[in-house]
Amino acid sequence: SQQGEEDPQALSIQEGENATMNCSYKTSINNLQWYRQNSGRGLVHLILIRSNEREKHSGRLRVTLDTSKKSSSLLITASRAADTASYFCATSLMDSSYKLIFGSGTRLLVRP
Amino acid sequence: DAMVIQNPRYQVTQFGKPVTLSCSQTLNHNVMYWYQQKSSQAPKLLFHYYDKDFNNEADTPDNFQSRRPNTSFCFLDIRSPGLGDAAMYLCATSSPLARLSNEQFFGPGTRLTVL
Repeated sequence: SQQGEEDPQALSIQEGENATMNCSYKTSINNLQWYRQNSGRGLVHLILIRSNEREKHSGRLRVTLDTSKKSSSLLITASRAADTASYFCATSLMDSSYKLIFGSGTRLLVRP
Repeated sequence: DAMVIQNPRYQVTQFGKPVTLSCSQTLNHNVMYWYQQKSSQAPKLLFHYYDKDFNNEADTPDNFQSRRPNTSFCFLDIRSPGLGDAAMYLCATSSPLARLSNEQFFGPGTRLTVL
């Protein structure tokens, strides 16, 4: 069964608005990562948050992690049309620290 | 620039005709991964190499094989492609010990069509 489930599956917002995507997972993790995938392309690493961290920022990205609830959220502030992509969370499990298990993804559409 | 390269970007094969996808990297990473991604789904790990050690996922069909002749190259062989094998195939690399992080670096993918 899938480790990561994301919601919403799809999100449509206006340029300038904030976008929030959520990820839930089932087993203990080393870290959780977020990746972005433009249509028909490979994935690009965005940000990594370790299991002992609660919040991390990178530019317009803010990631939170709640290990008690086994959930994470990715916030993109002041969205741009160029942010249109699919976003995947990926968990690194305690017993296999270099493999990742990807969530189902959120398809974000930012309307100009 | 250091990168992960996949060739070809688009591959068309016939049902049952063997096909090989290739991946090369200039990052000198010791771990290489192959993922299968179907439309609107998560990437699914097929197998990975940690240096020369091959690690197959339990649910990867025998139809899928891999070779890693050296650090830079890794191949995905599909021995008898079926219609259900049509997908995007993604190669990725990581260097968890050197980078103290297991973030993965992805190639652009090869889209496989099976006729």
